[in-house]
Amino acid sequence: KAGVTQTPRYLIKTRGQQVTLSCSPISGHRSVSWYQQTPGQGLQFLFEYFSETQRNKGNFPGRFSGRQFSNSRSEMNVSTLELGDSALYLCASSLVVGETGELFFGEGSRLTVL
Amino acid sequence: GQQVMQIPQYQHVQEGEDFTTYCNSSTTLSNIQWYKQRPGGHPVFLIQLVKSGEVKKQKRLTFQFGEAKKNSSLHITATQTTDVGTYFCAGLQAGTALIFGKGTTLSVSS
Repeated sequence: KAGVTQTPRYLIKTRGQQVTLSCSPISGHRSVSWYQQTPGQGLQFLFEYFSETQRNKGNFPGRFSGRQFSNSRSEMNVSTLELGDSALYLCASSLVVGETGELFFGEGSRLTVL
Repeated sequence: GQQVMQIPQYQHVQEGEDFTTYCNSSTTLSNIQWYKQRPGGHPVFLIQLVKSGEVKKQKRLTFQFGEAKKNSSLHITATQTTDVGTYFCAGLQAGTALIFGKGTTLSVSS
Protein backbone atom coordinates (compact mmCIF):
# COMPACT_ATOMS: atom_id res chain seq x y z
CA LYS A 1 0.00 0.00 0.00
CA ALA A 2 1.06 3.59 -0.53
CA GLY A 3 3.22 5.18 2.13
CA VAL A 4 3.04 8.60 3.70
CA THR A 5 3.08 11.30 1.04
CA GLN A 6 4.42 14.76 1.71
CA THR A 7 4.23 17.72 -0.64
CA PRO A 8 6.08 19.69 -1.71
CA ARG A 9 9.38 17.82 -1.37
CA TYR A 10 11.51 20.93 -1.70
CA LEU A 11 10.75 24.60 -1.42
CA ILE A 12 12.58 27.86 -1.07
CA LYS A 13 11.06 30.86 0.66
CA THR A 14 12.30 34.22 1.86
CA ARG A 15 12.13 35.65 5.33
CA GLY A 16 8.70 36.94 6.27
CA GLN A 17 6.80 34.69 3.89
CA GLN A 18 4.57 31.86 4.96
CA VAL A 19 4.49 28.23 3.90
CA THR A 20 2.00 25.39 3.97
CA LEU A 21 3.12 21.76 3.92
CA SER A 22 0.84 18.85 3.23
CA CYS A 23 0.83 15.26 4.43
CA SER A 24 -1.31 12.35 3.31
CA PRO A 25 -1.08 9.44 5.76
CA ILE A 26 -1.19 5.77 4.98
CA SER A 27 -4.74 4.70 4.21
CA GLY A 28 -6.53 3.81 7.44
CA HIS A 29 -4.11 5.71 9.67
CA ARG A 30 -5.89 8.38 11.66
CA SER A 31 -2.95 9.70 13.68
CA VAL A 32 -0.54 12.17 12.12
CA SER A 33 2.52 13.70 13.75
CA TRP A 34 4.88 16.39 12.52
CA TYR A 35 8.57 16.73 13.35
CA GLN A 36 11.22 19.29 12.46
CA GLN A 37 14.66 17.87 11.72
CA THR A 38 17.76 20.03 11.70
CA PRO A 39 21.43 18.98 11.80
CA GLY A 40 22.52 18.28 15.34
CA GLN A 41 19.04 18.72 16.82
CA GLY A 42 17.48 15.47 15.81
CA LEU A 43 13.73 15.29 15.40
CA GLN A 44 11.83 17.90 17.35
CA PHE A 45 8.15 17.28 17.91
CA LEU A 46 5.73 19.84 16.48
CA PHE A 47 2.19 18.45 16.64
CA GLU A 48 0.15 15.30 16.86
CA TYR A 49 -3.36 15.00 15.45
CA PHE A 50 -5.98 12.31 15.75
CA SER A 51 -9.43 12.50 14.20
CA GLU A 52 -9.04 16.20 13.43
CA THR A 53 -8.09 17.03 17.04
CA GLN A 54 -4.69 18.21 18.15
CA ARG A 55 -3.65 15.79 20.87
CA ASN A 56 -0.21 17.12 21.66
CA LYS A 57 1.84 20.17 20.77
CA GLY A 58 5.57 20.67 20.97
CA ASN A 59 7.48 23.67 22.21
CA PHE A 60 7.37 25.81 19.09
CA PRO A 61 6.20 29.41 18.71
CA GLY A 62 2.69 30.26 17.58
CA ARG A 63 3.97 30.86 14.04
CA PHE A 64 3.77 27.11 13.65
CA SER A 65 0.28 25.76 13.27
CA GLY A 66 -1.40 22.70 11.88
CA ARG A 67 -4.66 20.99 11.23
CA GLN A 68 -6.09 17.67 10.21
CA PHE A 69 -8.98 17.10 7.86
CA SER A 70 -11.76 14.54 8.02
CA ASN A 71 -9.90 12.30 5.55
CA SER A 72 -6.90 12.31 7.95
CA ARG A 73 -4.78 14.44 5.64
CA SER A 74 -2.86 17.05 7.54
CA GLU A 75 -1.29 20.40 6.83
CA MET A 76 1.14 22.51 8.76
CA ASN A 77 1.69 26.20 8.29
CA VAL A 78 4.60 28.38 9.25
CA SER A 79 4.02 32.13 9.10
CA THR A 80 6.54 34.96 9.11
CA LEU A 81 9.38 32.65 8.17
CA GLU A 82 12.77 33.06 9.82
CA LEU A 83 16.16 31.79 8.65
CA GLY A 84 16.15 29.29 11.53
CA ASP A 85 13.03 27.63 10.13
CA SER A 86 15.13 26.05 7.40
CA ALA A 87 14.79 22.34 8.06
CA LEU A 88 13.42 19.04 6.93
CA TYR A 89 9.80 18.75 8.04
CA LEU A 90 8.76 15.17 8.52
CA CYS A 91 5.25 13.88 8.77
CA ALA A 92 4.49 10.47 10.24
CA SER A 93 1.30 8.51 10.46
CA SER A 94 0.32 5.82 12.89
CA LEU A 95 -2.40 3.21 12.96
CA VAL A 96 -3.08 3.69 16.65
CA VAL A 97 -2.65 6.56 19.04
CA GLY A 98 -0.37 6.52 22.03
CA GLU A 99 1.00 3.43 23.63
CA THR A 100 1.74 1.19 20.70
CA GLY A 101 2.01 3.54 17.78
CA GLU A 102 4.81 2.73 15.38
CA LEU A 103 5.41 5.79 13.22
CA PHE A 104 5.61 5.58 9.44
CA PHE A 105 7.47 8.60 8.09
CA GLY A 106 7.17 10.35 4.78
CA GLU A 107 10.16 11.51 2.77
CA GLY A 108 9.83 14.99 4.21
CA SER A 109 9.52 18.53 2.91
CA ARG A 110 12.85 20.34 2.82
CA LEU A 111 12.33 24.04 3.45
CA THR A 112 15.04 26.58 2.80
CA VAL A 113 14.49 30.13 4.03
CA LEU A 114 16.66 32.80 2.43
CA GLY B 1 9.21 18.54 29.98
CA GLN B 2 10.21 15.10 28.91
CA GLN B 3 13.74 14.82 27.53
CA VAL B 4 15.46 11.94 25.83
CA MET B 5 19.24 12.04 25.73
CA GLN B 6 21.26 9.87 23.41
CA ILE B 7 25.00 9.17 23.35
CA PRO B 8 27.35 9.18 21.61
CA GLN B 9 26.42 11.72 18.96
CA TYR B 10 28.83 10.18 16.45
CA GLN B 11 30.62 6.85 16.27
CA HIS B 12 33.04 5.59 13.68
CA VAL B 13 33.97 1.91 13.60
CA GLN B 14 35.87 -0.47 11.41
CA GLU B 15 33.74 -3.06 9.70
CA GLY B 16 33.42 -6.05 11.98
CA GLU B 17 33.64 -4.06 15.23
CA ASP B 18 30.71 -3.76 17.60
CA PHE B 19 28.68 -0.60 18.19
CA THR B 20 26.45 0.56 21.03
CA THR B 21 24.25 3.62 21.43
CA TYR B 22 22.62 4.59 24.71
CA CYS B 23 19.41 6.41 25.43
CA ASN B 24 18.33 7.99 28.72
CA SER B 25 15.05 9.62 29.65
CA SER B 26 14.42 12.14 32.39
CA THR B 27 11.09 10.43 33.11
CA THR B 28 9.73 6.89 33.24
CA LEU B 29 8.59 5.76 29.82
CA SER B 30 5.61 3.72 28.71
CA ASN B 31 7.63 2.34 25.86
CA ILE B 32 10.68 3.12 23.80
CA GLN B 33 11.07 2.82 20.05
CA TRP B 34 14.16 2.73 17.87
CA TYR B 35 14.43 4.09 14.35
CA LYS B 36 17.15 4.10 11.70
CA GLN B 37 17.63 6.87 9.18
CA ARG B 38 19.91 6.20 6.24
CA PRO B 39 21.73 9.19 4.72
CA GLY B 40 19.25 11.15 2.64
CA GLY B 41 16.37 9.03 3.84
CA HIS B 42 13.64 9.17 6.41
CA PRO B 43 13.47 7.40 9.79
CA VAL B 44 12.35 3.79 9.62
CA PHE B 45 10.96 1.92 12.60
CA LEU B 46 13.17 -0.86 13.97
CA ILE B 47 11.56 -2.04 17.17
CA GLN B 48 9.48 -1.18 20.21
CA LEU B 49 10.22 -2.18 23.80
CA VAL B 50 7.48 -2.08 26.40
CA LYS B 51 8.38 -4.22 29.40
CA SER B 52 10.86 -3.41 32.15
CA GLY B 53 14.14 -5.24 31.50
CA GLU B 54 13.01 -6.36 28.04
CA VAL B 55 15.63 -7.59 25.58
CA LYS B 56 14.90 -8.13 21.92
CA LYS B 57 17.15 -9.27 19.11
CA GLN B 58 17.00 -8.73 15.39
CA LYS B 59 19.84 -10.64 13.75
CA ARG B 60 22.96 -8.68 14.76
CA LEU B 61 20.99 -5.98 16.63
CA THR B 62 20.19 -6.29 20.34
CA PHE B 63 17.83 -3.87 22.06
CA GLN B 64 17.45 -3.48 25.81
CA PHE B 65 14.99 -1.57 27.98
CA GLY B 66 16.18 -0.74 31.48
CA GLU B 67 14.58 -2.07 34.63
CA ALA B 68 13.40 1.41 35.62
CA LYS B 69 12.08 2.03 32.08
CA LYS B 70 14.19 5.18 31.83
CA ASN B 71 17.03 3.95 29.66
CA SER B 72 17.66 1.80 26.66
CA SER B 73 20.46 0.63 24.43
CA LEU B 74 21.01 -0.66 20.93
CA HIS B 75 24.00 -2.92 20.31
CA ILE B 76 25.14 -4.00 16.87
CA THR B 77 27.49 -6.96 16.66
CA ALA B 78 30.07 -7.13 13.87
CA THR B 79 29.02 -4.00 12.03
CA GLN B 80 28.67 -3.98 8.28
CA THR B 81 28.71 -1.08 5.83
CA THR B 82 24.96 -1.48 5.49
CA ASP B 83 24.60 -0.43 9.14
CA VAL B 84 25.63 3.13 8.28
CA GLY B 85 23.07 5.74 9.30
CA THR B 86 21.64 7.58 12.25
CA TYR B 87 19.95 5.61 15.00
CA PHE B 88 17.27 7.35 17.02
CA CYS B 89 15.60 6.28 20.19
CA ALA B 90 12.15 7.71 20.89
CA GLY B 91 10.43 7.58 24.23
CA LEU B 92 6.74 7.64 24.93
CA GLN B 93 5.37 8.87 28.22
CA ALA B 94 1.70 8.21 28.91
CA GLY B 95 -0.46 10.97 27.47
CA THR B 96 2.32 12.62 25.52
CA ALA B 97 3.78 12.37 22.06
CA LEU B 98 6.78 10.32 21.00
CA ILE B 99 9.92 12.30 21.86
CA PHE B 100 13.09 11.55 19.93
CA GLY B 101 16.68 11.67 21.07
CA LYS B 102 19.16 13.55 18.88
CA GLY B 103 20.45 10.33 17.42
CA THR B 104 23.76 8.57 17.04
CA THR B 105 25.34 8.71 13.60
CA LEU B 106 27.27 5.58 12.77
CA SER B 107 29.91 5.45 10.08
CA VAL B 108 31.64 2.22 9.10
CA SER B 109 34.85 1.88 7.16
CA SER B 110 35.75 -1.32 5.36
